[in-house]
Order: sequence, then structure tokens, then C-alpha cells
Amino acid sequence: EAGVAQSPRYKIIEKRQSVAFWCNPISGHATLYWYQQILGQGPKLLIQFQNNGVVDDSQLPKDRFSAERLKGVDSTLKIQPAKLEDSAVYLCASSLAGLFSGNTIYFGEGSWLTVV
Amino acid sequence: AQTVTQSQPEMSVQEAETVTLSCTYDTSESDYYLFWYKQPPSRQMILVIRQEAYKQQNATENRFSVNFQKAAKSFSLKISDSQLGDAAMYFCAYRSAGYGGSQGNLIFGKGTKLSVKP
Repeated sequence: EAGVAQSPRYKIIEKRQSVAFWCNPISGHATLYWYQQILGQGPKLLIQFQNNGVVDDSQLPKDRFSAERLKGVDSTLKIQPAKLEDSAVYLCASSLAGLFSGNTIYFGEGSWLTVV
Repeated sequence: AQTVTQSQPEMSVQEAETVTLSCTYDTSESDYYLFWYKQPPSRQMILVIRQEAYKQQNATENRFSVNFQKAAKSFSLKISDSQLGDAAMYFCAYRSAGYGGSQGNLIFGKGTKLSVKP
């Protein structure tokens, strides 16, 4: 079974530029998450989708971050304009259909962003 | 709001020895899940073990076991017969039980970096 796929793995951009990360969840997983992990900290949820609907985006900085999951499968996370403090690893994760919190969440390898 | 605290930023263990990583959490909920995730340098979060709060029996997965103390809100991870491949960051995480809404969100601690000495 293929895992959660993310690209690009690494990205270096200058502040005020834009960047987009792509995620393809495990086949059949209806719930998709984007987490931000700043160096030295645990991951923090940015946004959670159930199919193509947003369940929770309360911690997403909406003035510069956006995310979509138009067909309920893969997802894109965009940052525009980027700030130095956005340097982090962006982890995509997915879990089985439904919002039962007992379902295991599987993570991708992450996209490393460095803003200079 | 729920919080997760890992008070040991770094731990070290000799190969083949046993090590225990600590985690405490704060919640007013009675039903929830607790997890330990391993994060190697590749940064992929790998599930090590999970515990349902309604179960009194401590979870075990091969060399990994937990000591779950619900009243004390403590959830420690014991790694027996440590191997070089166990070296990684370990994160304790909390998740509310139930259906719907943002119960799916994992709340993580800051992590413990485990080194294994040959």
C-alpha cells in the first residue's frame, strides 16, 4: 500500500515569495491534514479536510496561507507571501473515511521549507 | 484546551538497555486516545503505539510498552532492548475521542530526542 506522498521535499525561497506544496493521501482516506512543524517543536495542525470540505482551519494564518482539496483526493497548501517564520516542515497526513477519532493517522515525509 | 508536556528534551540509552520517556497531559475529557510517534531524521512521523483511555490495560507492541496512569494524566513509553535504529525524536500526542468536527486533531508535545549508544 502506497503511503502519503508529498512534494517537493525541499524548497528554499526568499521572503515575500510564494510556494505551494502538494499532498496525495493514502487511497481511500477521506480525512486529510496539514501540520506545520517548526524546528524544536511538535507538529501543529494548520487545516483538516473531510473529503473536499474544511473541518478545522482555526490555526491557519489565512492572510498568507491557503489550502484546497478540490476533488476530495489530493491537496495543495500555498503560502503567499512567505515570511521568515514560515520556515518549517509541512507534514501532510491522512486517515480513513469518517471522523472517528480512533482511526490511525498516517504521515508523509514532509516538505521542508526554508525562507531566507 | 488540551496540552501535552514532555519534560525530557533529550535522553540517552546504551544499546540493549531499557529507557523510559515521560509524557504528561492535561484534559477535562474522560475519553480520548494517546499516542507515541517516532520521527527519524527523514521527518516522517511513524506510529509506535497507541492507548485508548477507556482501557485499563497498558498497550504493548513488541519492545515498546506504555505505563498509562489516567488519574495522574501520565503516559510514559518504555523501550526495552534498545537498538541503534530506535534513535530518533519521540513525540507524545493526544486525540479526543468521538465523531465529527475537530476531534481528529492530534495535539503533540515538544518531543524527546533519544540517542542510542553502541
